[in-house]
Amino acid sequence: KQEVTQIPAALSVPEGENLVLNCSFTDSAIYNLQWFRQDPGKGLTSLLLIQSSQREQTSGRLNASLDKSSGRSTLYIAASQPGDSATYLCAVSGDKIIFGKGTRLHILP
Amino acid sequence: DAGVIQSPRHEVTEMGQEVTLRCKPISGHNSLFWYRQTMMRGLELLIYFNNNVPIDDSGMPEDRFSAKMPNASFSTLKIQPSEPRDSAVYFCASSFGQGASYGYTFGSGTRLTVV
Repeated sequence: KQEVTQIPAALSVPEGENLVLNCSFTDSAIYNLQWFRQDPGKGLTSLLLIQSSQREQTSGRLNASLDKSSGRSTLYIAASQPGDSATYLCAVSGDKIIFGKGTRLHILP
Repeated sequence: DAGVIQSPRHEVTEMGQEVTLRCKPISGHNSLFWYRQTMMRGLELLIYFNNNVPIDDSGMPEDRFSAKMPNASFSTLKIQPSEPRDSAVYFCASSFGQGASYGYTFGSGTRLTVV
């Protein structure tokens, strides 16, 4: 049974710092992994999608990596801004699509 | 494209009443997913459809929950009778390809409160 874990559950960092969010999964037989952002009371916004054959994807200040063999993905945020404050979730797509419980990020001005 | 559209945005109902949540997927997407989000359990997949056919409904909690997709542009999730423990945010998502091969787009969700 696929399990997706995100550590830490919450993170506070000063503005301007680079940071890394982690996602681990137990079954490496996945089609893809997707990172989402969720603002309080809102839906999920897709940030990056990494297919199983890919190692990383980049969009602006965001970079996501995927290591299927070790069951890990990271989301790197460069030069963090207060507007980056949100909950970040990863989802792995295999036989089913399973979400982690997210990392609640707070960027301190 | 207006994205995935869900209605209503908020629903407050009394225990025992029937609740119907609605979703319009993105035009051209052939997979549709219903999720439930709570603080305790996070995001849980309830059911997903491909080409209007239910593929996996193993996440539907019990017989009080049912979902339909009568055509490619509309789906409903019904709870009858509703209970306080059904209170959650219900999301609909759509994608192109089976198993979200190309990633998902989520709707804004329906916040359901059962009192």
